Amino acid sequence: SAVISQKPSRDICQRGTSLTIQCQVDSQVTMMFWYRQQPGQSLTLIATANQGSEATYESGFVIDKFPISRPNLTFSTLTVSNMSPEDSSIYLCSVEDLPGNTIYFGEGSWLTVV
Amino acid sequence: GQQLNQSPQSMFIQEGEDVSMNCTSSSIFNTWLWYKQDPGEGPVLLIALYKAGELTSNGRLTAQFGITRKDSFLNISASIPSDVGIYFCAGPDNYGQNFVFGPGTRLSVLP
Repeated sequence: SAVISQKPSRDICQRGTSLTIQCQVDSQVTMMFWYRQQPGQSLTLIATANQGSEATYESGFVIDKFPISRPNLTFSTLTVSNMSPEDSSIYLCSVEDLPGNTIYFGEGSWLTVV
Repeated sequence: GQQLNQSPQSMFIQEGEDVSMNCTSSSIFNTWLWYKQDPGEGPVLLIALYKAGELTSNGRLTAQFGITRKDSFLNISASIPSDVGIYFCAGPDNYGQNFVFGPGTRLSVLP
């Protein structure tokens, strides 16, 4: 399976600021995803990061709030913009090995907004 | 959209006991995945199931893909303290593009 590295692993952020999370994969992958996991909850898909084109966002998530970049097949970033305490969550980068087969996760980025 | 349900929601067991948890859906899934998440970490894949009726083991863990393709179970034998965590089931949606996750089963192991 691919090795997925995220940074930062955790951060405490001020309300109203923005933070960019980086995701680096040790091999080229077609599909990369960003998930959010709010405290005590399951995982919710934010968007699919598409290489060379705009990300595909799930219902309830918009580009202005969660801009995503995917400059190549091994790297992606997620920015959480204009943060509020409700954005305090673990943000997880994941990759798919084969279509509809299995997905693997990074270690997660734990953001606390104060 | 497709949803996954997990039971029990949480469980407390004694070290050494066996554990059984399951995952159900009202719709068919063609793949069932089981993950474990430790506090503050990302989910780690435990077992992947790709065929109805398939029974797969990974050490003390055993999982089965239900024949109806609408359920799966995960068993843990002889539990140990490091089994503590949240166990999620997941599967690709009908389009095979997005993965749906269950709400999780939180396992606590008492010494």
